[in-house]
Amino acid sequence: TQLLEQSPQFLSIQEGENLTVYCNSSSVFSSLQWYRQEPGEGPVLLVTVVTGGEVKKLKRLTFQFGDARKDSSLHITAAQPGDTGLYLCAGALGYKYIFGTGTRLKVLA
Amino acid sequence: NAGVTQTPKFRVLKTGQSMTLLCAQDMNHEYMYWYRQDPGMGLRLIHYSVGEGTTAKGEVPDGYNVSRLKKQNFLLGLESAAPSQTSVYFCASNRDRGPDSPLHFGNGTRLTVT
Repeated sequence: TQLLEQSPQFLSIQEGENLTVYCNSSSVFSSLQWYRQEPGEGPVLLVTVVTGGEVKKLKRLTFQFGDARKDSSLHITAAQPGDTGLYLCAGALGYKYIFGTGTRLKVLA
Repeated sequence: NAGVTQTPKFRVLKTGQSMTLLCAQDMNHEYMYWYRQDPGMGLRLIHYSVGEGTTAKGEVPDGYNVSRLKKQNFLLGLESAAPSQTSVYFCASNRDRGPDSPLHFGNGTRLTVT
């Protein structure tokens, strides 16, 4: 049973479009992280959100943590080909980090 | 600093063979983790360690064993490999449980079991 479900699983869009990726769970997390992974490499942290309702911005990326700390979203404005990659959310449960199923994004020039 | 280093990068095993994957970190991190990554499944936690000499089971521990004899090293063992263990294995480490302590990943080991 996957604790963290991400949607959509795949996304192919044109450069300049906006998109939102969702990360949902029935569990409450003490914090939630978003990572991006390139082919042949390990995931790299983008952001950590801690407080319910928290919003963080990283250039064109906006991250939101749900009020109940069970879900999160990642919104990308005016996507660029450099945004292409696998996006993973990860929730902190005690000592463990549980990862979502991943969203594979492809931005076409 | 090298960060997190995994060896080997690639390996092909026959069913029933054994092997050990090595993870080494030079950041003096307390916590270390082994994940496997399969298409459509994201990363699933196999085992983890909260300090030298300690290990604990994650989501999918069956068929794997681990050891953390030295703080900087975390070993993942497959005693009798099965085709279902074909996957990409990632090791990660972090300093503590705090939200400002992200996971640092190695570049993975691609294992194929035939």
